[in-house]
Amino acid sequence: AQKVTQAQTEISVVEKEDVTLDCVYETRDTTYYLFWYKQPPSGELVFLIRRNSFDEQNEISGRYSWNFQKSTSSFNFTITASQVVDSAVYFCALKTVNYGGSQGNLIFGKGTKLSVKP
Amino acid sequence: DGGITQSPKYLFRKEGQNVTLSCEQNLNHDAMYWYRQDPGQGLRLIYYSQIVNDFQKGDIAEGYSVSREKKESFPLTVTSAQKNPTAFYLCASSSTGINTEAFFGQGTRLTVV
Repeated sequence: AQKVTQAQTEISVVEKEDVTLDCVYETRDTTYYLFWYKQPPSGELVFLIRRNSFDEQNEISGRYSWNFQKSTSSFNFTITASQVVDSAVYFCALKTVNYGGSQGNLIFGKGTKLSVKP
Repeated sequence: DGGITQSPKYLFRKEGQNVTLSCEQNLNHDAMYWYRQDPGQGLRLIYYSQIVNDFQKGDIAEGYSVSREKKESFPLTVTSAQKNPTAFYLCASSSTGINTEAFFGQGTRLTVV
C-alpha cells in the first residue's frame, strides 16, 4: 500500500521560531519520488521540492531545509526563522509506479496547517 | 505566462443539477488531473489523463465524469449522482514521468445550495 502520513494537523509558532513539519511515507517500491507543496490561502498548490528514493542528501534552500531518511521512511521539512508569509497548509506527497502506472500519480498526506504569528 | 486556469472560482449548484468545471493549461503537458479537497482530508484523486482521448478513474470517481478531447483542456462534470459535491476542486498538469512535479490551478469552490 502507498500512504503518506502527516501527523501534525496544525502548528502555531511565533515569528522567528524554527518549525519542523513531519512526513512519514509507506511504499514497497524501491523507486519513488517525494514532494512538498505549499498551499497559501489563495488555494493554489505551489511546488517546493522533489526528492528521489536514491538521493538521501539533505537539501537547503534559503530558510527551507529538507531531511530525507529512508531508514525511518521520513521526509521532514524545516523552516528556519519563520515569517508570517510562511503561514499556509503544507502537503507532503509520494509518487510511485504502483499508483498510476509507469507515470505515477501523487499520493498526498492530509496536510499540516502552519500559522506564524507576528 | 504559462500556467493552469480553472474557472469559475466559485460555483453554486442546486441539488439534482450537473455542473462542469473548466481546466485549461498552456504548459504543453500530456498529463492532467482532478483532485478534490475537503477540510482535514488532504487531496484525493478523482480522474487523471495521461494522453488525449484517454483517462482513468482515481480513488473517488463515482458521481464525476471527464473528457480529454484536447491536450489543453480537461473539464470535470459533477453529476447529480455525486451525493456530497460541496468541496474545493483542484486541477493539475504535469509532464509524463514519475520524476515530474505537478502544477496546480487556483481551484474552484463548489457549493450545493
